[in-house]
Amino acid sequence: FMLTQPHSVSESPGKTVTISCTGSSGSIATNYVQWYQQRPGSAPTTVIYQNSLRPSGVPDRFSGSIDSSSNSASLTISGLKTDDEADYYCQSHDSSKWVFGGGTKLTV
Amino acid sequence: QLQLQESGPGLVKPSETLSLTCTVSGDSISGSRYYWGWIRQPPGKGLEWIGSLYYTGITYYTPSLKSRVTISVDTSKNQFSLKLSSVTAADTAVYFCLGVVVINMLGQWGQGTQVTVSS
Repeated sequence: FMLTQPHSVSESPGKTVTISCTGSSGSIATNYVQWYQQRPGSAPTTVIYQNSLRPSGVPDRFSGSIDSSSNSASLTISGLKTDDEADYYCQSHDSSKWVFGGGTKLTV
Repeated sequence: QLQLQESGPGLVKPSETLSLTCTVSGDSISGSRYYWGWIRQPPGKGLEWIGSLYYTGITYYTPSLKSRVTISVDTSKNQFSLKLSSVTAADTAVYFCLGVVVINMLGQWGQGTQVTVSS
């Protein structure tokens, strides 16, 4: 089971961007999907958990969703700020194995 | 609030064993509230899951490292540990520990620790 993300995306400040995460097999809806933000030189932090929930402190500009028809999860960031520039990783499970997507570099 | 902190040698010689500890604060490592995991990130690359320790006491490891990895817990110190044997330069990476709430998968990461394998 693999999670595939685009290598990079780019958008202007104030715009909206969506990062996809596609499951290779089975149903991505079977297990929760998480999204992590990693700024250069820093540890990852959780921006979305349980498919669509935001930890306290994460602005509502960040949203997550699942699309069973395309077997994919998505992270959408609206009102882009330069501070959102980072690598984003999706993560889920395959049986008891933790699986990470390859990461997407967001340039704002 | 749950906090995690990795510690251990920053330099390990080839063929030796890498040993790291993750100290947990803000909650007990015992009980059924969390999963505990180790993840690494080689220079310029993405996140790689190494293995996880479930509250049942069962451990799971990524297949490519399974023969060399051991994850264990010390409840008296509120710590869990990673041992990776027979290291090579390919094991050079930043190593992160991660605590995940079982019921909703909310994760808290440690700050990470750089480990370099070199003679």
